[in-house]
Amino acid sequence: GAGVSQTPSNKVTEKGKYVELRCDPISGHTALYWYRQSLGQGPEFLIYFQGTGAADDSGLPNDRFFAVRPEGSVSTLKIQRTERGDSAVYLCASSSTGSGGPQHFGDGTRLSIL
Amino acid sequence: GENVEQHPSTLSVQEGDSAVIKCTYSDSASNYFPWYKQELGKGPQLIIDIRSNVGEKKDQRIAVTLNKTAKHFSLHITETQPEDSAVYFCAASTSGTYKYIFGTGTRLKVLA
Repeated sequence: GAGVSQTPSNKVTEKGKYVELRCDPISGHTALYWYRQSLGQGPEFLIYFQGTGAADDSGLPNDRFFAVRPEGSVSTLKIQRTERGDSAVYLCASSSTGSGGPQHFGDGTRLSIL
Repeated sequence: GENVEQHPSTLSVQEGDSAVIKCTYSDSASNYFPWYKQELGKGPQLIIDIRSNVGEKKDQRIAVTLNKTAKHFSLHITETQPEDSAVYFCAASTSGTYKYIFGTGTRLKVLA
C-alpha cells in the first residue's frame, strides 16, 4: 500500500513568509508525528497527534510553529514569520497506534529560507 | 529527558565484512529501540526494532542486541554489501511518551 506522503518535496521561500507543509499518513494510522532534521543530525520530535488532537506538542520550538489534523488523517504543519534557522527537512511519520509501535516516515519536505 | 548517543559517526568496511554501530541511552524507562536506514534525499526506513523484554533479535543479515543493565544497544550487519551504504540512526522511545529520541547517526560506507 501507499506510504506516508509529504508535499511539497522542496520549498524555498523568503524570510518572514508563511509556509504550510502537508502530510498524508498511511491509511488507517491513527497516530501522526512531525520531526525536524537538520543537516548531519538525527530527526528531532516536534508534535504528536492521536486522532485529531495534539497529544504532545512539547517539541515545537516556539509559537511560530503550529500543526493541525482536523479530520484525523491529513496534517498540516504551519510556520509563521519564517527565519533562516527554520531551514531543515521536516519529516512526518505515522503509526497504527500511539503505543510505541513502529513509526513509518515519509521522505520529508526540504524547507529553505532565504 | 532521554538522551541517545551513537558511535561511530562514520564507518567504512570492505564488502563482505561486518559492521557494528552502538548506541547508549540515559532513561531507564525507555522500552522500545528502533533502527532506521536513511538514504540521500529519502526519509528514514525502519530496518529492525527491539523491545526491552528481548535481548536479541535477528532478521537475515541484520541483528540488534540490547543490554538493559548497561543501557546500550547495538546494530550488527553481516556480509555487508554496497547497497548497505547509508546513514543509520538508532532511537529510543518510552511507553506513554510515543516520541522517538534519535541518535546523531552513523554514515556507513561499504567499499566494493
